[in-house]
Amino acid sequence: GAVVSQHPSWVICKSGTSVKIECRSLDFQATTMFWYRQFPKQSLMLMATSNEGSKATYEQGVEKDKFLINHASLTLSTLTVTSAHPEDSSFYICSASSPRVPSNQPQHFGDGTRLSIL
Amino acid sequence: RKEVEQDPGPFNVPEGATVAFNCTYSNSASQSFFWYRQDCRKEPKLLMSVYSSGNEDGRFTAQLNRASQYISLLIRDSKLSDSATYLCVAHNAGNMLTFGGGTRLMVKP
Repeated sequence: GAVVSQHPSWVICKSGTSVKIECRSLDFQATTMFWYRQFPKQSLMLMATSNEGSKATYEQGVEKDKFLINHASLTLSTLTVTSAHPEDSSFYICSASSPRVPSNQPQHFGDGTRLSIL
Repeated sequence: RKEVEQDPGPFNVPEGATVAFNCTYSNSASQSFFWYRQDCRKEPKLLMSVYSSGNEDGRFTAQLNRASQYISLLIRDSKLSDSATYLCVAHNAGNMLTFGGGTRLMVKP
């Protein structure tokens, strides 16, 4: 149980393109979803936290107009990297949590999306 | 200072060796702790929770010392498949997770 699916797993696109990444909780309703970014040889850094039906809370230094987060339902959150540039190339990982789901860990991670901007 | 700190390594060890990783944290209000394993270009996967009483799962032993704000992971009889990055993670209020920078382990034949 508590499976999180992330799509796409890998995307390569030209500079200036906007890229949408989807995060779905497949077998539970996620009250909260988290978006992380990981640069090579660095750890996961939280970008934002989103609760269904409300605006995302962004971490300091993360541009909310650059990284648009929509959490329209209890099973889907999307991250759109607008006008992506090479410095946005990174590994983006989502996770989901719910207090109603018995689990041995507080968040369940998607497979991650490797974004490469040329 | 980072909230969760780890030695980045890499730790290069031969198969069968015992290796220990350490982690320190600064937020005394952190509720619980975990060790995650992350393979290259993959998502982190839960390895084990960490308790003050210490806990063991096969070849892996984790320990938490709240007084010293110190966490450890011991891997016995290392296998080639143990090669990965090990992430020390603090669980804070609101189900928030704070990740350490990770310690890279390479087990060699």
